[in-house]
Amino acid sequence: GAGVSQSPRYKVTKRGQDVALRCDPISGHVSLYWYRQALGQGPEFLTYFNYEAQQDKSGLPNDRFSAERPEGSISTLTIQRTEQRDSAMYRCASSLGGRSQPQHFGDGTRLSIL
Amino acid sequence: QQPVQSPQAVILREGEDAVINCSSSKALYSVHWYRQKHGEAPVFLMILLKGGEQKGHDKISASFNEKKQQSSLYLTASQLSYSGTYFCGTEKGSSNTGKLIFGQGTTLQVKP
Repeated sequence: GAGVSQSPRYKVTKRGQDVALRCDPISGHVSLYWYRQALGQGPEFLTYFNYEAQQDKSGLPNDRFSAERPEGSISTLTIQRTEQRDSAMYRCASSLGGRSQPQHFGDGTRLSIL
Repeated sequence: QQPVQSPQAVILREGEDAVINCSSSKALYSVHWYRQKHGEAPVFLMILLKGGEQKGHDKISASFNEKKQQSSLYLTASQLSYSGTYFCGTEKGSSNTGKLIFGQGTTLQVKP
């Protein structure tokens, strides 16, 4: 597709369940970023991939959060044993790669933990 | 550390000008500006790369003072379509990943 595609758009799950959020970046974009955005706030960095390599995961809140991008294209962000505080908009962005490239954001996945 | 944006909110009439500021306590390599409308994804506006650089398109421009670690976004002769929340994203000098740290946002409302 032309833009960054994320699925599902909405996810409602019970506390304690695992969730997997998917991101399909723009074709040809080697850099992929995951952000979390609380209502009324700016995106908060979670993790970064260059091709399939996860080069920065400093923003992941704890070890319940993990991400992968096994073939250097589609990425999955997984949250295990979800808690209510995990409720947020999770956004993926991609860029051509390297420093100072425009990042193009997807429409996000709105995660609600009951 | 998160950059600080000011003002937090601004209300304008169509045709008026606005300035949004972004300040960081860390040495910066670049500053990115995004606009986000309610319920939508942030949309890229521009990147400022060099100290003192100014860029712009249409009636939106920006400057970057590397020494002061500050950037300003200038909206001239505002249009209704300029309404939204503006975020600056800063890229640290020590980073080589393109990782951005975003400010808390400035909400701009343009009225007819």
